[in-house]
Amino acid sequence: DGGITQSPKYLFRKEGQNVTLSCEQNLNHDAMYWYRQDPGQGLRLIYYSQIVNDFQKGDIAEGYSVSREKKESFPLTVTSAQKNPTAFYLCASSIPDRTDTQYFGPGTRLTVL
Amino acid sequence: QKEVEQDPGPLSVPEGAIVSLNCTYSNSAFQYFMWYRQYSRKGPELLMYTYSSGNKEDGRFTAQVDKSSKYISLFIRDSQPSDSATYLCAMSPNSGYALNFGKGTSLLVTP
Repeated sequence: DGGITQSPKYLFRKEGQNVTLSCEQNLNHDAMYWYRQDPGQGLRLIYYSQIVNDFQKGDIAEGYSVSREKKESFPLTVTSAQKNPTAFYLCASSIPDRTDTQYFGPGTRLTVL
Repeated sequence: QKEVEQDPGPLSVPEGAIVSLNCTYSNSAFQYFMWYRQYSRKGPELLMYTYSSGNKEDGRFTAQVDKSSKYISLFIRDSQPSDSATYLCAMSPNSGYALNFGKGTSLLVTP
């Protein structure tokens, strides 16, 4: 089955700790994205990558970092510099020139205690 | 002003009703318009995709784009309890760009 997987589904961390969220896809998509979703806020773009070894900041990149060493993987690190990290994090992927192919993973709910 | 505006609801309708969900936007460069459905604690799934103006129909769902008014709609006919979810509109100026999302409208279809 082709798709996007995110792990873990729920993640708890203490304040001040860095944490890395996993996103893997086997759709052979070149483009990958990270969004953050808060209640009543919709989805906001954190980072995106159109190709391996290249990525760009989205609207709310502060306190986050990413890497894109493999086509299939786009991990997101939430650093201690992120002021309010508790949120639902969604990864997506697409064919770069085909917006209608942007599909989402199941999400990771991060709670910082 | 946020680029994409969407009434968060909640919108409650009886089973079988016609549902109308709407978004307005301010960026006239938007050309690609999408509707996603999101069940609680799940990732959004793509429902409808429209390029530029016009209508698109898929089963019980119809997407409408009016670029002159900067207004898009999603109609759901014969609504079912399984349609209860949050509906997100999304749009972008060019294919392949990251999407601009509305806040989502929460829909409840009661039996």
